[in-house]
Amino acid sequence: AQSVTQLDSQVPVFEEAPVELRCNYSSSVSVYLFWYVQYPNQGLQLLLKYLSGSTLVKGINGFEAEFNKSQTSFHLRKPSVHISDTAEYFCAVIYFGNEKLTFGTGTRLTIIP
Amino acid sequence: NAGVTQTPKFQVLKTGQSMTLQCAQDMNHEYMSWYRQDPGMGLRLIHYSVGAGITDQGEVPNGYNVSRSTTEDFPLRLLSAAPSQTSVYFCASSPRTGEAFFGQGTRLTVV
Repeated sequence: AQSVTQLDSQVPVFEEAPVELRCNYSSSVSVYLFWYVQYPNQGLQLLLKYLSGSTLVKGINGFEAEFNKSQTSFHLRKPSVHISDTAEYFCAVIYFGNEKLTFGTGTRLTIIP
Repeated sequence: NAGVTQTPKFQVLKTGQSMTLQCAQDMNHEYMSWYRQDPGMGLRLIHYSVGAGITDQGEVPNGYNVSRSTTEDFPLRLLSAAPSQTSVYFCASSPRTGEAFFGQGTRLTVV
């Protein structure tokens, strides 16, 4: 089945340290890839997306992600986190020919002062 | 800019009751979807629509009905509420290959 995996359910990081949130998808077919952020008691907001072109994608709030087709990965990174980055982060994928947006189970990022 | 509007924000139902969650978008998007969010399970697709008059099942469709009579509206109907349907429900809309825009969610409790 076509799916997306976020291996880390929780990631604690000290303030101003770098962070990487991992995302892997299951198929080698062409994909569109997304990272969403959900702050407490809110809906989901798009951080960044990969549709085509450059494999390094920059998003809002200083986040970036790199599409790696050979490893079927789309890891999210930020060089220096802030308290305000505390949230849950979801990786999502659309597989060509499927049309459905499929989500991972989410990674809860906690920033330690 | 309204975007995607969901109503109600909160709802408590008794087992066996029916209700409709409303979703409206004003961006003329083709695609609309309903998801439920449960702890540790991410967002799971209930039903989706690729245009007016066209709907299809997602990953967890049982107990839910949808219809899409207009581009703007995509209501979700719970036929006979069960405690297992206690969840947070999100509606989303998107253009054909673009990002999805989400509503603020409906927190549903079935007792």
